[in-house]
Amino acid sequence: DAGVIQSPRHEVTEMGQEVTLRCKPISGHDYLFWYRQTMMRGLELLIYFNNNVPIDDSGMPEDRFSAKMPNASFSTLKIQPSEPRDSAVYFCASRTKTPGIDNEQFFGPGTRLTVL
Amino acid sequence: AQKVTQAQTEISVVEKEDVTLDCVYETRDTTYYLFWYKQPPSGELVFLIRRNSFDEQNEISGRYSWNFQKSTSSFNFTITASQVVDSAVYFCAFDYGQNFVFGPGTRLSVLP
Repeated sequence: DAGVIQSPRHEVTEMGQEVTLRCKPISGHDYLFWYRQTMMRGLELLIYFNNNVPIDDSGMPEDRFSAKMPNASFSTLKIQPSEPRDSAVYFCASRTKTPGIDNEQFFGPGTRLTVL
Repeated sequence: AQKVTQAQTEISVVEKEDVTLDCVYETRDTTYYLFWYKQPPSGELVFLIRRNSFDEQNEISGRYSWNFQKSTSSFNFTITASQVVDSAVYFCAFDYGQNFVFGPGTRLSVLP
C-alpha cells in the first residue's frame, strides 16, 4: 500500500491567496483527519471525516478554512484567503472503521505551508 | 476533559544510555486507547504502539518497551541502549472514540 498521500509537499504563497491541500487516504480506511502542526501549538486536530461526512470541525480555526471529502479516496483542505499565521505543516491521517482494532492513525508526509 | 501530558519537553542523553519518556493522561472513560508516535527530523509521524485500556500488559519490541499503569494513568516509553537514530520528537496520544488527542511531545536528543 502506498500509504497516505499528500500534495503538494511544500507550498509557498503570498498573503491573500487561496491555498488547497490535498490528501488521498489509505484504501479501505473510513476515517480521515486533518491536523496542523506549529511550534507554538503543537499538533492540532482541525477536522475529521467518517465515510466522507465531516464529524467534528470544531478545530477549524475560522471561516477561512474549509475541508471537503467528495469521495472515499480524496479530501481537500482549503484556506481562503491565506494569512502568514497559517504557516504550518498540515498533516492528513486515516484509519480503519472499527475502534479498537487497528485503530491507529496513519499519517501522510505532511504539507509545509509558508504564507509570506 | 481528556488530556495528555508529557512533562518532559526536551531530554538529552548520550548514546547507549537508557531513557524513559513519560506520558500521563486524564479521562473518566473506561474504554480508551493510548498510542506513541515518533517524529524524526525528516518530519513524518511514525506509529510505534497502540494499547487499549483493558490491557495493562507491558510490551517490549527490541530496544523499546512500554509500561502502562492505569492506577497512575501513565503510559511510559523506555528506550534501552539509545542510539543517535532515536533522536526525534515522541508523541503520546489518546483516543477515546470521540476524538484523538496528542500530547505536546518530548524532544529526545541522543548524542554520540
